[in-house]
Amino acid sequence: DQQVKQNSPSLSVQEGRISILNCDYTNSMFDYFLWYKKYPAEGPTFLISISSIKDKNEDGRFTVFLNKSAKHLSLHIVPSQPGDSAVYFCAASEETSGSRLTFGEGTQLTVNP
Amino acid sequence: EAGVVQSPRYKIIEKKQPVAFWCNPISGHNTLYWYRQNLGQGPELLIRYENEEAVDDSQLPKDRFSAERLKGVDSTLKIQPAELGDSAVYLCASSLDGPLLTTDTQYFGPGTRLTVL
Repeated sequence: DQQVKQNSPSLSVQEGRISILNCDYTNSMFDYFLWYKKYPAEGPTFLISISSIKDKNEDGRFTVFLNKSAKHLSLHIVPSQPGDSAVYFCAASEETSGSRLTFGEGTQLTVNP
Repeated sequence: EAGVVQSPRYKIIEKKQPVAFWCNPISGHNTLYWYRQNLGQGPELLIRYENEEAVDDSQLPKDRFSAERLKGVDSTLKIQPAELGDSAVYLCASSLDGPLLTTDTQYFGPGTRLTVL
């Protein structure tokens, strides 16, 4: 039972344009959501998070949107840069402590110069 | 500040052999996690330690997997005997948890890529 799903295995965008990565979840008890970025041969790196009491959180070029009624969140990267090319994982937790994370399958983002 | 350290980075073994992975978390981090990441999938939690106590091991296949975190710092994950399906990347992560913290970012190590032949 895949509780967190990223339906797009890959996404390709041009440098300077917006990248939108999507994530859906089924567990209504999830109340904390995170995005991690992973480069080859490295571990995932925390990028940005959002609590279920918010619908938007912004950090520089990265913005995460949460739609609780649709059980959907998205990560927007504006403007996209070639260094953003990586695998992006969506993760969710039932506790605000973030201790037990359930990850999606990941989306490979490629930003072309 | 040093990140999470894992060794070895790569390991190739034959099935039925034992294997062990080692993790040194970020200094001061009291919570340690072991994840398994299969090809094309996200990481899946195997076990979580708070200090030296395993507080969540519900996803650990206990017939062949074992873990320990003596003295609440370094941790070892062992598989004995290994099976073909154990081929994956094993990730260790740590976080600084406390009663006043509501968001505990997990910091991941580079992982150990295990290949079972």
